[in-house]
Order: sequence, then structure tokens, then C-alpha cells
Amino acid sequence: TQLLEQSPQFLSIQEGENLTVYCNSSSVFSSLQWYRQEPGEGPVLLVTVVTGGEVKKLKRLTFQFGDARKDSSLHITAAQPGDTGLYLCAGAPMDSSYKLIFGSGTRLLVRP
Amino acid sequence: KAGVTQTPRYLIKTRGQQVTLSCSPISGHRSVSWYQQTPGQGLQFLFEYFSETQRNKGNFPGRFSGRQFSNSRSEMNVSTLELGDSALYLCASSLRAPNTEAFFGQGTRLTVV
Repeated sequence: TQLLEQSPQFLSIQEGENLTVYCNSSSVFSSLQWYRQEPGEGPVLLVTVVTGGEVKKLKRLTFQFGDARKDSSLHITAAQPGDTGLYLCAGAPMDSSYKLIFGSGTRLLVRP
Repeated sequence: KAGVTQTPRYLIKTRGQQVTLSCSPISGHRSVSWYQQTPGQGLQFLFEYFSETQRNKGNFPGRFSGRQFSNSRSEMNVSTLELGDSALYLCASSLRAPNTEAFFGQGTRLTVV
């Protein structure tokens, strides 16, 4: 069974602080995606990483795919209240491009 | 470009009833995936369709079924509803497959009483 472990589960920080969210697995994924979900809404795609070691930046967000394509991290610099939400990682298994395995999510609260 | 549309947004059903949820993908997208989201289990994959064919299915009982029409619109059906089926049901639209990118609808919130 392919699992994606996300940590931490909850994070409450002050505006301006930095944070990192981790997504780990013992399985290899062909790609990994990060989403943000707000209450009552569907997840919104932030980024897709495909190559081992790949780093992508989206304004204050930095995403990294592990060299072995088993793990990923999301780093937010100078967090803002607008970053509050549920962050989800999702991996596409090597044996199937037709589904995504989701992590359990990290609930982030950025206090003003 | 219109996003993914799911209808209805909210639904309340009684145990034992059946329900049909609808998803209209982004124009031009041919892959539609369905997920169940609950507080305890998170997002779990139900099934994926491409050009009216189911290409993958998750570990859900046979009460959960789906289909896709020639215009790529998709429906999922849950029969003999149980209390544990209460969840947010999400549909995701992809051009060819979800492994590169998937765009989600707002979901249908199903409550079984």
C-alpha cells in the first residue's frame, strides 16, 4: 500500500515566520503535486514536480522533490495570513498515472 | 475558461437511499477522477475515467459506481447509503491523466442521516 506521510499535521505561526511542511513515503512516485484547500472548497493545485531533485518557486513558496522521488517539501518564507489553509501533497504512483495518493494534510494557521 | 462544475453542492439523504452526483470537467479535458474526503481518512481515490472507460478504481465497495459520457461529463452513484458515506465528494479534471495536473471542483457535501 502506497502511503504519503505529511508532517506536521497542524501548524500555528505568527505572520512573518518561515515554515516547512514535509511529505514522505517509502514508495517512488512519478510526480508529486501540492495543493491548498480552504474550507468548503476543492483543493487548488499549487505546483507539480516531476524530476528527482527538482526545485520550483512560486513567489514565497519553494517546493522540492527528493532525489529518489520518495519525498517532497514545501517551504514558505515570511508567511502571511492569506497562506492559511490545508496543504496537501499528492503523488502519482509509478504503476499508475490514473490516480493520486494524497497525504493526510497540514493545517496551517498564520496569525496576524 | 470555465472550471470544474459539480452539482449539487449539498445533499442530505437517508440511510438506504441512493444518490447520483454530477461533474462537468474543464472543456477539452477527457480525464475525470473522483475522490472522497472525510476528516478521518482524508482524500481517498474512488475511480478515474477517460473517454468513457474506467482506467482505475480505488478500494471502495461495489455500492460506489461511476460512468463517463461522450462529452466527458461524469456521474458517480452510491447505492444503499450508509452513515459512513457522509463526506465531501470531489471531482478532478485533467487533460489526459491526473499525474501531471488535476483541477478540482468545489465538491458535493453529502450528509447521510
